[in-house]
Amino acid sequence: EDQVTQSPEALRLQEGESSSLNCSYTVSGLRGLFWYRQDPGKGPEFLFTLYSAGEEKEKERLKATLTKKESFLHITAPKPEDSATYLCAVDTSGTYKYIFGTGTRLKVLA
Amino acid sequence: DAEITQSPRHKITETGRQVTLACHQTWNHNNMFWYRQDLGHGLRLIHYSYGVQDTNKGEVSDGYSVSRSNTEDLPLTLESAASSQTSVYFCASSPAGDYGYTFGSGTRLTVV
Repeated sequence: EDQVTQSPEALRLQEGESSSLNCSYTVSGLRGLFWYRQDPGKGPEFLFTLYSAGEEKEKERLKATLTKKESFLHITAPKPEDSATYLCAVDTSGTYKYIFGTGTRLKVLA
Repeated sequence: DAEITQSPRHKITETGRQVTLACHQTWNHNNMFWYRQDLGHGLRLIHYSYGVQDTNKGEVSDGYSVSRSNTEDLPLTLESAASSQTSVYFCASSPAGDYGYTFGSGTRLTVV
């Protein structure tokens, strides 16, 4: 069974304290891996798509990387406004149906 | 600007009633999806559509139905609401290609 697991469930960082969020997957085939940010009371907001091992994408303080078994979302020198839940999803069949992880709740303290 | 809107934002209904949640997008996306989000389960796919007159069942489709009569709308109907359907419902759309979803703001449904 295809599965996506995110860790940790929750993470508290001090402002400026860099860290990484993990998304591990066991799937029959990977068509694409997606990262989203979700603020309380809102829908998820698309961040990145990764397709193959070794690929990296960056946006401001965020960098996403991909290996054959997992993806990391690196947050460099985070700010309080980076506080959100970060979701990982995979498309295993190229049909645009995603399997989502349960997310990592990030809290950045000033 | 293009957008995807869901209505209502909040809804309280009684067990056994039929409920319809609206989703309208002006992106002209062919692909549309309904997910529910629950603590501990993440987002789970209910129904999806690749275009007009096309509808498909997702992982948790029992008790739900959708119809697609035009490109812009994919309403989600709960045939006979149950307490287990209390959840936050998200509609999403995407173009062809791997551009990710654009999500609506969600509908919080409570079945009492």
